[in-house]
Amino acid sequence: AQTVTQSQPEMSVQEAETVTLSCTYDTSESDYYLFWYKQPPSRQMILVIRQEAYKQQNATENRFSVNFQKAAKSFSLKISDSQLGDAAMYFCAYRSPRGNTDKLIFGTGTRLQVFP
Amino acid sequence: EAGVAQSPRYKIIEKRQSVAFWCNPISGHATLYWYQQILGQGPKLLIQFQNNGVVDDSQLPKDRFSAERLKGVDSTLKIQPAKLEDSAVYLCASSPRVDPGANVLTFGAGSRLTVL
Repeated sequence: AQTVTQSQPEMSVQEAETVTLSCTYDTSESDYYLFWYKQPPSRQMILVIRQEAYKQQNATENRFSVNFQKAAKSFSLKISDSQLGDAAMYFCAYRSPRGNTDKLIFGTGTRLQVFP
Repeated sequence: EAGVAQSPRYKIIEKRQSVAFWCNPISGHATLYWYQQILGQGPKLLIQFQNNGVVDDSQLPKDRFSAERLKGVDSTLKIQPAKLEDSAVYLCASSPRVDPGANVLTFGAGSRLTVL
């Protein structure tokens, strides 16, 4: 069974600085999808960025980028020019492409604090 | 477009009582999901519907949890009788189709359940 591990329960960053959140996963599949979701205090999960495992190029969305290391099964999120609104819980998630279900398997999350 | 609507936002009950949560997905979204998020953990899929049929309910505690999606639109998740360990946030999400590659889930704000 696939598992997702986020080893940093909490991280903090100064406004305008850069922070990296770590995520590792375990799978025997060669093709899959990885996601980072943001969950602010409002509780609504918001998709931040998505990576297809067959793509070698790291995904980028504005100030958010990933470092995808397939061999190491590592998928870290880098937030550049951090803003106060980036403060939230961040969840890494895995999805298998097999079958009809597109179940997301989430890690335990990293709470990001942003200081002015 | 309107988002995923959930109610109630908060519910407090005593153990052995029953509770029901309601979800209205984004119009036209064929797939609907219920996730359970226990404090300090990532969300876990309870059940996935494609239209009004169940795609995956492997992690749904069927002795106490039930869910239905009548007419392939709204959905209700019921817990009867509730246990202390059911205290969690229940997140509903929807997506346009079951296509692991392109599928993007839109989440609601969740319903927080406290069982005393």
